[in-house]
Order: sequence, then C-alpha cells, then structure tokens
Amino acid sequence: SQTIHQWPATLVQPVGSPLSLECTVEGTSNPNLYWYRQAAGRGLQLLFYSVGIGQISSEVPQNLSASRPQDRQFILSSKKLLLSDSGFYLCAWNRGGAGSYEQYFGPGTRLTVT
Amino acid sequence: DAKTTQPTSMDCAEGRAANLPCNHSTISGNEYVYWYRQIHSQGPQYIIHGLKNNETNEMASLIITEDRKSSTLILPHATLRDTAVYYCIVRLVGTGANSKLTFGKGITLSVRP
Repeated sequence: SQTIHQWPATLVQPVGSPLSLECTVEGTSNPNLYWYRQAAGRGLQLLFYSVGIGQISSEVPQNLSASRPQDRQFILSSKKLLLSDSGFYLCAWNRGGAGSYEQYFGPGTRLTVT
Repeated sequence: DAKTTQPTSMDCAEGRAANLPCNHSTISGNEYVYWYRQIHSQGPQYIIHGLKNNETNEMASLIITEDRKSSTLILPHATLRDTAVYYCIVRLVGTGANSKLTFGKGITLSVRP
C-alpha cells in the first residue's frame, strides 16, 4: 500500500530564516506530487505541483520554491521566511498519467514564523 | 475548473443521515465531482468521486442530478468522528495541471450527540 510522509510535523522559525520541508511517498512510482498551504481560517491553496523528476509548476508567485530531486521526494524551500508564510503545509500525491485519480494527503507541517 | 457553492455549515444528530449539498451549475462534460473532508488539524481525506452516475463506497454515497448541476454527499449514519469540513470540488480529467484540485471554503458539518 502507498503511504505519504511529511516532516517535520511542526516548526517554529524566525523571520528571515531558511525553510526546508520534505515529503516522500512510498509504494508507488512516478506519482504526481503537490504542495498546498492552508493559512489560519482559510481554504487550501495549491502552491506547486510536479509530474516528474525536475518538473515543477508554480501556481502562485511567492517566497517559496519547490524541487523534486527523486521520483518520490518533494521538497518545499524558502531562502528567507516571511510572517505571511505561516500556515499548514500539506503534501499530496496521486497516480501519474491520464485519469481521474484521487489525491492523497500527508499529515501536514504546521509552520509558525515569528 | 468549475466553481462550486456550498452552504457554510450544517449540523445533524449522531446516527442520522447527513446530506451535504453542492451546486456546480457551470460544470462541463469532462469534469468530475469530488468530495474530500478535513478533520481539524489533519490533511484532507478523499471520500468519493463521480462523473454522472450515483456512486457509493464504504464511507458515503454521491448523488449527482441528471443535469449534473448539483450533487449531494450522503453520510448514511453520521458519527461524532464525521465532524469536519467537507469540500465539494469539480475537476477536469487529465494530467499535470488538470490533475490539481481547487479547494473552496467547504461546508462545516457538526455532528451532535
């Protein structure tokens, strides 16, 4: 069966510090991978998605970047955090290829920028 | 993706059926209706999806109107653990950008004892 991992679970970082959040998927190959953010009291916003190694699409301009160095690894980064980067960050995957494949979400990372 | 509209909140009694409505009047022929839910402080959980036929699985039933402009998610016997925000999403079939989900504000379901 497939599982998705995210770490860390919670993170408190000062403004201006760097960020690296990691997501890995097990039990599947060539998945589509996604990063979402949920600000307090808001809905989920898609940040990045990837259909393959090294292929990243950005949905909104922002202070963040994403990378996919391996097939089942997706990393969200920032060089300098802003207060507005606080939120609940969720990684998700679904099967690659054409079709109506549902997305499965990880447990999330709660980031507080102080 | 087509937009969806859902009530802000609803409640139901434990053990009763919860019927969650969703309007998607601009849905196109190749767009599916998806339902997810998010329990507080957790990642969203996939519930069910459908194109035009009604669907049922171990979690819920999805009823889609014949004109596909609205749908209803039915939790047949709601429990306290079903308290969550439920998202109705319309999504194009395809790869890459077409695979992404656009979440609205959802409907908050409160199941009372």
